[in-house]
Amino acid sequence: DTAVSQTPKYLVTQMGNDKSIKCEQNLGHDTMYWYKQDSKKFLKIMFSYNNKELIINETVPNRFSPKSPDKAHLNLHINSLELGDSAVYFCASSIRTGGSTDTQYFGPGTRLTVL
Amino acid sequence: AQSVTQPDIHITVSEGASLELRCNYSYGATPYLFWYVQSPGQGLQLLLKYFSGDTLVQGIKGFEAEFKRSQSSFNLRKPSVHWSDAAEYFCAVVRRTGTYKYIFGTGTRLKVLA
Repeated sequence: DTAVSQTPKYLVTQMGNDKSIKCEQNLGHDTMYWYKQDSKKFLKIMFSYNNKELIINETVPNRFSPKSPDKAHLNLHINSLELGDSAVYFCASSIRTGGSTDTQYFGPGTRLTVL
Repeated sequence: AQSVTQPDIHITVSEGASLELRCNYSYGATPYLFWYVQSPGQGLQLLLKYFSGDTLVQGIKGFEAEFKRSQSSFNLRKPSVHWSDAAEYFCAVVRRTGTYKYIFGTGTRLKVLA
């Protein structure tokens, strides 16, 4: 009965490859997010989708493309991976956006290592 | 610019001792305030949150936090730390208007000595 799940948990790949990370939430939430946590543990939002619509797009390289096939899923595709993309990527969800009282629920993270 | 500061990168306490983790924010107006905990290899779990009302907020696992408007602070406390509390703690804020976007502090790593 995992609330927010991510696959894979670990991802090791070579520079220049393309990879995807998947996220699913079974909480019935409308809004989902992707965060990047760097080696210094700094956590920064990348994207947010509300009911499959992109609402937050931080200054992320366009090699990163989120895709939301339905409101329960938000995948992250990364093209031409670079060393600096190595990080832990967290997916999160909340009931809705614009309701600032909503708590975000986080997935367990995907540790991406680019060699 | 909006920012969240957690001045202590690492804190070490003995089991059974009290704990206070500091969080200061810089915002035009009082934001919504959160504390999350990240255990090793895990995602973030919400400990507590403050939106309005009583400035002393109770959370899970025996944690509490006090909002002090005059100091722009939201410090996390626990009277008696357990070894299982060893983790990374993040303070986060959300602006009350506009885009609902969390801004996280840089985290405080807590080590608990037996």
